[in-house]
Amino acid sequence: GALVYQYPRRTICKSGTSMRMECQAVGFQATSVAWYRQSPQKTFELIALSTVNSAIKYEQNFTQEKFPISHPNLSFSSMTVLNAYLEDRGLYLCGARTGTANTEVFFGKGTRLTVV
Amino acid sequence: QQQVRQSPQSLTVWEGETAILNCSYEDSTFNYFPWYQQFPGEGPALLISIRSVSDKKEDGRFTIFFNKREKKLSLHITDSQPGDSATYFCAAREPGTGSNRLTFGKGTKFSLIP
Repeated sequence: GALVYQYPRRTICKSGTSMRMECQAVGFQATSVAWYRQSPQKTFELIALSTVNSAIKYEQNFTQEKFPISHPNLSFSSMTVLNAYLEDRGLYLCGARTGTANTEVFFGKGTRLTVV
Repeated sequence: QQQVRQSPQSLTVWEGETAILNCSYEDSTFNYFPWYQQFPGEGPALLISIRSVSDKKEDGRFTIFFNKREKKLSLHITDSQPGDSATYFCAAREPGTGSNRLTFGKGTKFSLIP
């Protein structure tokens, strides 16, 4: 079956520092990866869409300078939160799907970021 | 403007009852609607989904009823079990290959009366 692993599950970083999170697709080719942030106040916020061999598209309020993403192959993606501050807290989710039209999006269990 | 709305915010039923979770959307171009089940501390897991060409999708105790004209859908959970206690998110997607963009509702927190 299709599985998405995210690492680490939880992380705590000091305000102003950076942390990197990873997403691994198992059992299918993740041609398209979406990074979301889930918080109690704003439910799911789409950060960016990454498709292999295409430019990464960031949503309004999110930038490459703050959330650089790497999607080097069909099974792996990573995202870094640079200069993390309190408003960056939340559960970061990786949602992956194959390139075939209208296929399901599978999520990992997320990386919970706490900023102190 | 919120594109996907869910109601109620929370729902509690007795074990064995049928629960109905509602969802409505604004954008008539949305054509795919997955429901995700999320337990505390976990990521959302795909539960069941429906495409706009259908008006009903059933998978075990979970059924989606879809009304395209009214831009509404509902998730019915029959014979509710303690393991069903979770937050359920309705999502919607625009058509187009490569579209990995899902718009989520704020969720319905579902629980059973102990």
